[in-house]
Amino acid sequence: QITLKESGPTLVKPTQTLTLTCTFSGFSLSTSGVGVNWIRQPPGKALEWLALIYWNDDKRYSPSLRPRLTITKDTSKNQVVLTMTNMDHVDTATYYCAHQLDYGAGYYYGMDVWGQGTTVTVSS
Amino acid sequence: EIVLTQFPDTLSLSPGERATLSCRVSQSVSSSYVAWYQQKPGQTPRLLIYGVSTRATGIPGRFSGSGSGTEFTLTISGLEPEDFAVYYCQQSGSSRSFTFGPGTKVDIK
Repeated sequence: QITLKESGPTLVKPTQTLTLTCTFSGFSLSTSGVGVNWIRQPPGKALEWLALIYWNDDKRYSPSLRPRLTITKDTSKNQVVLTMTNMDHVDTATYYCAHQLDYGAGYYYGMDVWGQGTTVTVSS
Repeated sequence: EIVLTQFPDTLSLSPGERATLSCRVSQSVSSSYVAWYQQKPGQTPRLLIYGVSTRATGIPGRFSGSGSGTEFTLTISGLEPEDFAVYYCQQSGSSRSFTFGPGTKVDIK
């Protein structure tokens, strides 16, 4: 059974750097095709995809947020870490991590398992 | 960067009715990466459809996906009470970054 759980601060100040950790079980991030995404959702608003890291350390980022984001993995700890710099009030949201399998065009299986999410508030 | 547009914003229907939700992509991309998600209030999103038309594990047959190019559709053939929720389409562009649409809310008429 695949599970993911997000952790990190619930409150950060404007201009600070946010560091979130996704701890997972039931799969290995060294297995071909596996990826872990970060997605966020401001209160009452839509989902916004942030970043993705694949088993081979290939990384993808939201073009609009790319300068502020870094995604890394620690395969031995079964963790994926997302850092977001220069936090602002508009970054207040629930942040999710999600598992996916992607073997290339024609073999993408969607973000099939999501963590419960962690709520981050940006306020001074 | 691709942009997804979903319409209508809100769909007001009665149980048993058919729901047709649309997703338009700003540029033609690989259909392989089209997916649909359902989110109920206070809950985590749930994968419904991937690869345009393949239902995820455990998803009832009343959910179906179709489309190609820049136009994609999620159809719910007969709404059950538990289907009233927000639905998001998702796509990936040539850069293999991902995007979600703004969502369509299906509520009870």
